[in-house]
Order: sequence, then C-alpha cells, then structure tokens
Amino acid sequence: EPEVTQTPSHQVTQMGQEVILRCVPISNHLYFYWYRQILGQKVEFLVSFYNNEISEKSEIFDDQFSVERPDGSNFTLKIRSTKLEDSAMYFCASSNPGWGSQHFGDGTRLSIL
Amino acid sequence: KNEVEQSPQNLTAQEGEFITINCSYSVGISALHWLQQHPGGGIVSLFMLSSGKKKHGRLIATINIQEKHSSLHITASHPRDSAVYICAVPPHSGGGADGLTFGKGTHLIIQP
Repeated sequence: EPEVTQTPSHQVTQMGQEVILRCVPISNHLYFYWYRQILGQKVEFLVSFYNNEISEKSEIFDDQFSVERPDGSNFTLKIRSTKLEDSAMYFCASSNPGWGSQHFGDGTRLSIL
Repeated sequence: KNEVEQSPQNLTAQEGEFITINCSYSVGISALHWLQQHPGGGIVSLFMLSSGKKKHGRLIATINIQEKHSSLHITASHPRDSAVYICAVPPHSGGGADGLTFGKGTHLIIQP
C-alpha cells in the first residue's frame, strides 16, 4: 500500500538555526498537510496545501514557517529560526479531494537545543 | 472552530474485554476520523465515516451526525490493541484541504 514517507526521522538543531523537514506524499494525492505534536499534548494542525499554494493555516503557522513543493514529489516544511518551543513531532499527511482519508507519515522528531 | 472531546482519557482493561471509546464534537462535519497512535509515535488512519457504522476486523466505528457523537469499539481486545486512539474532525461540513482538529486521545492498555 502506498505510504507517506518523512525524512529525517529525528532532527537535532541548535536554537536559531533553520531546519527543513521533508515529506513525500502519496503520489496521486492532491492535498498535503503538516501537523505537529508537542510531547504529551494533542496533535495540532499547522497548514494545508493544494494546487501549489497554502489552502489553510493555523495561528501556529507564523512567519517563521513556510511550506514548499519544490518538485513533483516532495513537500517541505521550513522553520527559519528555530525556538526551543518548536521541539515536537512533526507529521506530514496527504489526501485526495472528496473528503478522502488523510494518510500520515511516521513523523519527524525535532529537538531544539 | 470545532471542539473535540474524547472519553475516557485513560482505559485499562483485561484481554478479551469489549472496549468503547467516545468522541463528541461541536460543529457539524462532513466526516469524522478515528486514528491510532502507537508508542513509537506514528499515526495510522483507522476509519473515516460520515454516517452509520463501519467495521474492520475487530474494530467498529459508529457515528450519530444529529447528536455530533461517535464511538469506537474494539471486540475481543488483545494486548496488541494497546495504543492511543484519537478522534479528529474537520472544521466544518465543507470539503477541501481542511486541517483536522484532534481530540486529546484515549490511552488504552490491554493487559494479558
């Protein structure tokens, strides 16, 4: 069965550094999402992406965050200047139109030192 | 914004027991998602349902759209069912690239 893949599985970064999290969505999906989960808390929506532009974003997704689909397969989340509170598990998901089920990757654990 | 409440937060049961996890939400939706998160952190989609009932193996999900309530049942529970079960909903009844709002999850432990 097709999967959403995320790399790296664990990223350790110094505070203030830029970090890029990468995702390869399922190939025929058209909607892409990023979520985050701070340790011990619930999963929170960050941003959705469709037709090469942001469809929806939450209040968490401020100017420090950006998303990009640089080619036909990758979907990236960039955090420009990381803060300690950015430490979390970041999940990528993809789905198809018509209220299709969202398929999640295994996540990238981001640790900010 | 849709608010999602799950109960119970924690549930410990013996192997073989019938398990019920409940979810209620505040705003009418197109479909509700049940997800499973294992200790390693990965999230697996179990069900997406918009009405009635769905069954997959020992898992059954039901939804009552009028009452804004859904339940996830596990029959003949097994220790491998131990995980966090999460209910998630879109913000409204429309379709599109809607980010989901997640419940806090139910931490289920099945003891042998």
